[in-house]
Amino acid sequence: DTEVTQTPKHLVMGMTNKKSLKCEQHMGHRAMYWYKQKAKKPPELMFVYSYEKLSINESVPSRFSPECPNSSLLNLHLHALQPEDSALYLCASSQDPGQGSNEQFFGPGTRLTVL
Amino acid sequence: QQQVKQSPQSLIVQKGGISIINCAYENTAFDYFPWYQQFPGKGPALLIAIRPDVSEKKEGRFTISFNKSAKQFSLHIMDSQPGDSATYFCAASRGYQKVTFGIGTKLQVIP
Repeated sequence: DTEVTQTPKHLVMGMTNKKSLKCEQHMGHRAMYWYKQKAKKPPELMFVYSYEKLSINESVPSRFSPECPNSSLLNLHLHALQPEDSALYLCASSQDPGQGSNEQFFGPGTRLTVL
Repeated sequence: QQQVKQSPQSLIVQKGGISIINCAYENTAFDYFPWYQQFPGKGPALLIAIRPDVSEKKEGRFTISFNKSAKQFSLHIMDSQPGDSATYFCAASRGYQKVTFGIGTKLQVIP
């Protein structure tokens, strides 16, 4: 299995809702990432987990809360989002950190719309 | 500060032609330079990657040329096809650290 899966594919939520995005990989990768991508822009890194521990938080607002329950799963909990948070949210994974290669495999993304 | 500069932002190429996208970087500590291809509504997919100890890498119709002294690298797509129409991102990273993406190039291959 060489893919990263993400659910749901599309999500529409109000500013008072609480929702979660899910990501799963079965490639044995020990680093997992959340990115945000706005239209016609490159992906922007949000969080990095290494061996299930949060290693990088790119100063993301607290209304985004990541969680890594185990080495295969990554969640992004959403609460009290703003319309400007509407974007494609991408999950990625890569091999053992420290191995030298940062080849990242991306999932198809969740298209989030905040009303 | 944009650490990886990519050009052009859009490119139109005739079918069968050569598509060329250029990138320049500033951080000499970068040691991994991937190219990603992204179709609308999809996540980026790794296309090809190179390390700075190699000047060229070819995979099928895709070639990366790397000039370490000039801190530049480029993607060449030979015999471009309409199915190659996508957005291409160059990127750079050092070891396991954060990947820095270029601004992206929207390629359109016309019949």
